[in-house]
Amino acid sequence: EPEVTQTPSHQVTQMGQEVILRCVPISNHLYFYWYRQILGQKVEFLVSFYNNEISEKSEIFDDQFSVERPDGSNFTLKIRSTKLEDSAMYFCASRPGTSGRMNGELFFGEGSRLTVL
Amino acid sequence: AQKVTQAQTEISVVEKEDVTLDCVYETRDTTYYLFWYKQPPSGELVFLIRRNSFDEQNEISGRYSWNFQKSTSSFNFTITASQVVDSAVYFCALSERAAGNKLTFGGGTRVLVKP
Repeated sequence: EPEVTQTPSHQVTQMGQEVILRCVPISNHLYFYWYRQILGQKVEFLVSFYNNEISEKSEIFDDQFSVERPDGSNFTLKIRSTKLEDSAMYFCASRPGTSGRMNGELFFGEGSRLTVL
Repeated sequence: AQKVTQAQTEISVVEKEDVTLDCVYETRDTTYYLFWYKQPPSGELVFLIRRNSFDEQNEISGRYSWNFQKSTSSFNFTITASQVVDSAVYFCALSERAAGNKLTFGGGTRVLVKP
């Protein structure tokens, strides 16, 4: 069964360093997302991406964050200069284009845990 | 704006007891989807169910059942005869077609099933 894969599963970095989290969405999906979950808290929307551009972003997704789909398969989240409060689990998700039944289901990866020291 | 509220932060039960998790949502859209996800201690999000706003039929899948009530904007989840493996955090979520189908999650309910 096709799945969304994320790497790395866990990354430890020093404050101020750049981090890139990678995701390979399901191959025929058209919509891509990043979500964040700070430990013990709820899952929060960061950004959605469609047709090679950001379609929506949350307040959390400030200038330190960027997303890219560099080669048609990977979908990356870059944090330019990490802060302590960026420590969280980051989930990538994808979904197909809308069907006649407006499916709506997102398929999540297993997450990348980022620890900023 | 869409909003999901899970009033119960933590529920503790003894194995074989039933447990019901409440979820109340707010939306202005007429076309929306409701979801439940399970997050075990390993951290991944496991999809359990999707319901669209036009289908109010309740659903049963093994020991899991869901009660969707549009009149009260609720989408409650019941685990029957709970088992230790059911211990996890359960998230209710909402997506609106008008909002590009992005998911808004509730705060989650931690379920602890004791042997």
